[in-house]
Amino acid sequence: RKEVEQDPGPFNVPEGATVAFNCTYSNSASQSFFWYRQDCRKEPKLLMSVYSSGNEDGRFTAQLNRASQYISLLIRDSKLSDSATYLCVVNFRNNAGNMLTFGGGTRLMVKP
Amino acid sequence: EADIYQTPRYLVIGTGKKITLECSQTMGHDKMYWYQQDPGMELHLIHYSYGVNSTEKGDLSSESTVSRIRTEHFPLTLESARPSHTSQYLCASIRNTEAFFGQGTRLTVV
Repeated sequence: RKEVEQDPGPFNVPEGATVAFNCTYSNSASQSFFWYRQDCRKEPKLLMSVYSSGNEDGRFTAQLNRASQYISLLIRDSKLSDSATYLCVVNFRNNAGNMLTFGGGTRLMVKP
Repeated sequence: EADIYQTPRYLVIGTGKKITLECSQTMGHDKMYWYQQDPGMELHLIHYSYGVNSTEKGDLSSESTVSRIRTEHFPLTLESARPSHTSQYLCASIRNTEAFFGQGTRLTVV
């Protein structure tokens, strides 16, 4: 079983739609959580951190459910420019320090 | 803007050649990672380092090697390139829990 699992998609949605992605993680000692965005043929970049209380950044809302070990990303009013792959990232600490683990990514395609 | 650089950006090389992919960062970060990613596929961790003289193998078996003699420099070497090594190689530098990626090296072995 992978440490961080995501539905690879693709999720095909029309402009203006609301879309949600989930991600599950297996290490209950995981401490911090993030969503990264990766455009086609580009490097991943941090989209937002995920806090226990949930957090919102414009049209993007991230939530964490520690009991069920999953995090989610909700995108409202989808834009064509939101088309990308969204990577779930989980951090846990081991003896050597923080260790980031990336999920396989969920591909989103927003259509006109 | 993150100060992490990879060279070359694109490389086409013949089978059997030795190559070194360069990764440099000017942020003073101790932790650095190398990932391999095929088009449309997930990132695979192949090597990581927690600081100078620290190198570890990642989750994906790789025929490459790395070194970390200086904080800012984390090169990856393939002693004998093969067509199966054709992929994109991404280097990342970590500050606390945030990863900053270089633009990647697209390697094609013919």
